[in-house]
Amino acid sequence: DIVLTQSPGTLSLSPGERATLSCRASQSVDSEYLAWYQQRPGQAPRLLIYTASNRATGIPDRFSGSGSGTDFTLTISRLEPEDFAFYFCQQYGSSPRTFGQGTKLEIK
Amino acid sequence: EVHLLESGGGLVQPGGSLRLSCATSGFGFSSYGMSWVRQAPGKGPEWVSSIKGRGGDRRIYYADSVKGRFTISRDDSKSTLYLQMNSLRAEDTAEYYCAKDLASFPLYYFESWGQGTLVTVSS
Repeated sequence: DIVLTQSPGTLSLSPGERATLSCRASQSVDSEYLAWYQQRPGQAPRLLIYTASNRATGIPDRFSGSGSGTDFTLTISRLEPEDFAFYFCQQYGSSPRTFGQGTKLEIK
Repeated sequence: EVHLLESGGGLVQPGGSLRLSCATSGFGFSSYGMSWVRQAPGKGPEWVSSIKGRGGDRRIYYADSVKGRFTISRDDSKSTLYLQMNSLRAEDTAEYYCAKDLASFPLYYFESWGQGTLVTVSS
């Protein structure tokens, strides 16, 4: 199984700052089949990015994804108050589909 | 708008059983693969099981950790997904989410998720 390791575990930033979240795979992810999700407390997870860099419907353009092979990044250009949440990555290039352990983005 | 609503979670003793349901609306349920994903407290999600949508054989997939104990099924006439969980263990304790796959074959990312139902296995 592909193991996804996210870093940092917790990221403390202020509104307006730039956030950079990392997702590293234990082996290359086929076809950049990597997705990012946001999870706010008490809410359903929400798809943000698919195939490494494609924004899902309705996702603001301050969210962007990049990367290939084993290294992937989610960038939030200017943090809004509603962006402070839990983020996790998922690969679907190999079976079984696996997830990272997540990054908590908290207000500094 | 896609809507997924899980139910059936609760407290159960080790070795016990539970049946989770996921009622859906807002999309052509029968055409899409559907999955269960769980998340233990303080951990990242874990894929549990998936079932293919309409077309061809109704393929089913399980994580090794639940194979032989859990059974996924769907009722397309009711737009509802199920997960029968038997021989439950403490390590099955988690929030269980129902998720809609991108396409009929449940091999991609999860387009939509429910809000989850909590399963606690403890004596």
